[in-house]
Amino acid sequence: DTAVSQTPKYLVTQMGNDKSIKCEQNLGHDTMYWYKQDSKKFLKIMFSYNNKELIINETVPNRFSPKSPDKAHLNLHINSLELGDSAVYFCASSQDPVLAVQETQYFGPGTRLLVL
Amino acid sequence: GQQVMQIPQYQHVQEGEDFTTYCNSSTTLSNIQWYKQRPGGHPVFLIQLVKSGEVKKQKRLTFQFGEAKKNSSLHITATQTTDVGTYFCATGGTSYGKLTFGQGTILTVHP
Repeated sequence: DTAVSQTPKYLVTQMGNDKSIKCEQNLGHDTMYWYKQDSKKFLKIMFSYNNKELIINETVPNRFSPKSPDKAHLNLHINSLELGDSAVYFCASSQDPVLAVQETQYFGPGTRLLVL
Repeated sequence: GQQVMQIPQYQHVQEGEDFTTYCNSSTTLSNIQWYKQRPGGHPVFLIQLVKSGEVKKQKRLTFQFGEAKKNSSLHITATQTTDVGTYFCATGGTSYGKLTFGQGTILTVHP
């Protein structure tokens, strides 16, 4: 069973389009995250949710809107895609960080987004 | 916020050689985690260090946390081709669940 899954795995689209990426975890975790990995492999957190509530929003443009229908799902919707949005987007999940120094994060397989 | 600098950015080794990547911070860290990302894959947790001077081993991998908790290292003895990938250090604890990653070290192992 896949612990953290994302769809789609690849996404190729034109500038200006709107697209969504879905993430699901079956680990029973309370907290989910979205990361962006650029072409130089740099990983940066974008958002985190705990029990469907937004906790971290790292100065991401308003075109990016996360949605958490329940604590097992965290989707990412991107409006008006730009060339600079091309990257790999990783979803991750962890136990409630409040309970430990820093919980292990489990990453999904990633969504490779290419904006043309 | 906390930042961690990781060096080197790239490392090419011959199979059988040793490899070390370093993670440094100007501030005291509450913890360090290490992740490995295979080419085309996703980051996978390797280990967490929380105590000053802590050393942990996983087979050929040795992880250290500095006495001042401002640096950490990952050492691989006798690299194998299966070790290829990007190794990241990461630290958290300043903001709810937020992990700050180093830039990563991309390891290439030549057979």
